[in-house]
Parts: sequence; structure tokens; C-alpha cells
Amino acid sequence: AQRVTQPEKLLSVFKGAPVELKCNYSYSGSPELFWYVQYSRQRLQLLLRHISRESIKGFTADLNKGETSFHLKKPFAQEEDSAMYYCALSGQGAQKLVFGQGTRLTINP
Amino acid sequence: GAGVSQSPSNKVTEKGKDVELRCDPISGHTALYWYRQSLGQGLEFLIYFQGNSAPDKSGLPSDRFSAERTGGSVSTLTIQRTQQEDSAVYLCASSLSPGSGNTIYFGEGSWLTVV
Repeated sequence: AQRVTQPEKLLSVFKGAPVELKCNYSYSGSPELFWYVQYSRQRLQLLLRHISRESIKGFTADLNKGETSFHLKKPFAQEEDSAMYYCALSGQGAQKLVFGQGTRLTINP
Repeated sequence: GAGVSQSPSNKVTEKGKDVELRCDPISGHTALYWYRQSLGQGLEFLIYFQGNSAPDKSGLPSDRFSAERTGGSVSTLTIQRTQQEDSAVYLCASSLSPGSGNTIYFGEGSWLTVV
């Protein structure tokens, strides 16, 4: 079974400070991992995916299969990063996308 | 259309009534998903349609919930005999096809309030 855990429901950091949103997963095969973001009054949208190994808006995430984690990181938080962040997992093949419970990130000025 | 379209955007209904929520996916997208977003519960998977395959209904919380997708396009989520705990935002999403290479795109959601 696919399972995604985001242990922090709320995270608050000051502008300019580093931020890390935690995500752990459970899946027996090779997963595809994603981070989705929902800004205030906007649709949920893809932020990044692990297979792309990309940095979007200064955020990066590395898949650690040993620790079954896919934490989202940014070295210097900005106020516009305040949003709801969801970690998601898709199994091999034509599998549904399963989300974690989300972390609400607030960046304080 | 340009994106996933959902209707109604807001619905207030009395406990015990049936409701229908509609989703119009992006043209050409074969995969369609329904999720429920509620306070403290995150994004809860409900049902997933992929082409002509049998839908994955494993996330439907009870037999009061059902969904169909006609002609591989528009989908309707039906909740019968609504309860107050059904109050949530119901999100629809679609993707070109399932798999890691295809981003899923979300609609704005249907806010359901059961009074």
C-alpha cells in the first residue's frame, strides 16, 4: 500500500531562514515522489518531482530511499513561500497519486 | 477548456439530501481523479478513472459515494443522503495519462457544506 506522512501540520519560520518540510513514505516498489503547493486562493499545483532533479522557486527535494524520505528544502525563505505544501507518491505503472496530510508553511517578516 | 472545470463552486445542502458535483477535465486527458480536502484531513483520495479501465474506487468512504465518467470525459461525483461530515472541498484533477511523466492538473474545487 502507498502511504505518505508529513509529520508537521504547521511550520513557521522567519524570512531569510532555511526551511525544511518533511515527507516520509511507505511503498514496496520504486515510487515517484512529488511536491504540490497551494497558495492562498489558488489551485493546487505541481511544485517539483523527484525524477526531474530540478530546483523550482529555490526549492529542492532529494529522494532518500534508505530513509524513505523526500524532504523539501529552501536555504532562504521568502514571504511569498507561505502556502500549503503537499507531498505525494505515485506507484509504478498506472497508479493513483496519494497525498500526505499537508504542511501549512508561514513565513514571518 | 484551458483547465479543469468544476461545478458548482459552492453548494450548501441540507442533511439527508443528495448532491452531484461535476468535473470537466482538460480535453484529451485520459486520467481523472477525485479528492476530498477537509480541515485536518489533508487530501484524501476518493476515486480514479483511467481510460476504459475499471475505476479505482478504493478511496470512497462509504456506499453513499459514487462517481461515473461518461464518454471518457466529464465526471460526476454523487453523494447520497449527505451527512455533516461530508462537508469539505471536493477536488477534481486530470492528467494526460497516468505515470510519472504527466503532471496532474487540479480544478478549483467544489465547496460542499451540509447543514
